[in-house]
Formats: sequence, C-alpha cells, structure tokens
Amino acid sequence: DAKTTQPPSMDCAEGRAANLPCNHSTISGNEYVYWYRQIHSQGPQYIIHGLKNNETNEMASLIITEDRKSSTLILPHATLRDTAVYYCIVRSSTSGTYKYIFGTGTRLKVLA
Amino acid sequence: GAGVSQSPSNKVTEKGKDVELRCDPISGHTALYWYRQRLGQGLEFLIYFQGNSAPDKSGLPSDRFSAERTGESVSTLTIQRTQQEDSAVYLCASRQTGANSPLHFGNGTRLTVT
Repeated sequence: DAKTTQPPSMDCAEGRAANLPCNHSTISGNEYVYWYRQIHSQGPQYIIHGLKNNETNEMASLIITEDRKSSTLILPHATLRDTAVYYCIVRSSTSGTYKYIFGTGTRLKVLA
Repeated sequence: GAGVSQSPSNKVTEKGKDVELRCDPISGHTALYWYRQRLGQGLEFLIYFQGNSAPDKSGLPSDRFSAERTGESVSTLTIQRTQQEDSAVYLCASRQTGANSPLHFGNGTRLTVT
C-alpha cells in the first residue's frame, strides 16, 4: 500500500486559505488520493478525492501534481469550524476490493 | 437519510471480559470497514467486508479479535479476553458499490478496559 506523509500540525488565520500538503511518492497508477477530516469525538468525514486531475467541490479543492507524487488540499476561506485533523489517504485497489489506509494526519487549527 | 450507526457509543469493561461492538451500515452499502483509533493517534485498519467475498482480515491485531457480517447488513466486532491496550475508539464505515464511492463513518464506540 502506498504511504502518505503529512505535517503533524498547521495553523491558519480565519478567512484565509488553508493549504494542506501530502506526499505520496510511491503511489501507483490506479490509486486514488482521498481526503477526510475528523472533528473531535466524531467519525471522519469525506472531503474530496481525485486520480490525476484537479478537483473542486463545495468543501475544498484538490491539486495533484503532474507526477502524482504529492497533492494539496485547499480550504479557500477557512472558518473556526474547519479546525480538525485532516487525513490524506491513498486508496489501494486489488481485484475490485478497496482498502483505505489512514496515516496520522495534519492537525489544522484555524485561529480567530 | 440515516447514517452509519454504532452501538454502544461507550463501553467500559473489565480486563479479561469479552465485548461485542455493533455496526449498522447505511442501507444498500455493500462494503463495510472496521478501524481502531487509540487516543491521539490515526486510524488503524482492522477488517473489510465486501459483499459475499471473503473478508480482508489483514489488520486484525491478534486472534482475540474477530468480526462477522451477515449479507450486507449488520456487522459485529468481537474482542475476547480484553486487555487494557484494547482501549480505543472503534470506528465502522460503509460504502456503496462503485469505484468512486467514499467511505461514510459512524461516530464510533469508545471502549475502556479497566
């Protein structure tokens, strides 16, 4: 399974863009990048995913480098409610089965 | 619609006892996953069920851990002869068939072994 590396913590000012990096240098061609976040005492919440193209939804944007070895999750206007642990996951796939291996994530603190 | 439901939300047990944790996935979700999360740490994969295929048990930490799922419905994670190191939040997630369907998580069962 591909491993991901994320910084353990980051701060971001409220209203500013939060850019969360993730390295996945051993990713293989059919593996997707997924992002989840976990707010204290809750289960993780799906944010966005992508294969090689950049993606955007109502929550965030995902920028994947051309070589696919890293990606960045962008929260365009961070609010205090975005304070959470953010997990970058490379989903492995074998014969139609899908395994999601979580790392330790980045603890994002949005500051007022 | 209803999300993934886990019960109980909290469980305190004495060392050596057996516990059963329950997960009700979202209706129609064919895949079901169990994870363990120790205090302040990330999620540790335990087991994965996909339809009628044999489950992927590669993450179960010892033979004291087992899980069952009947069809595409409820799953039960059983921990026998609990140890203090089993104290953690146990999270269940389910997903629809389809390569791009994301995982949907419950809020977990917090297990404390005294």
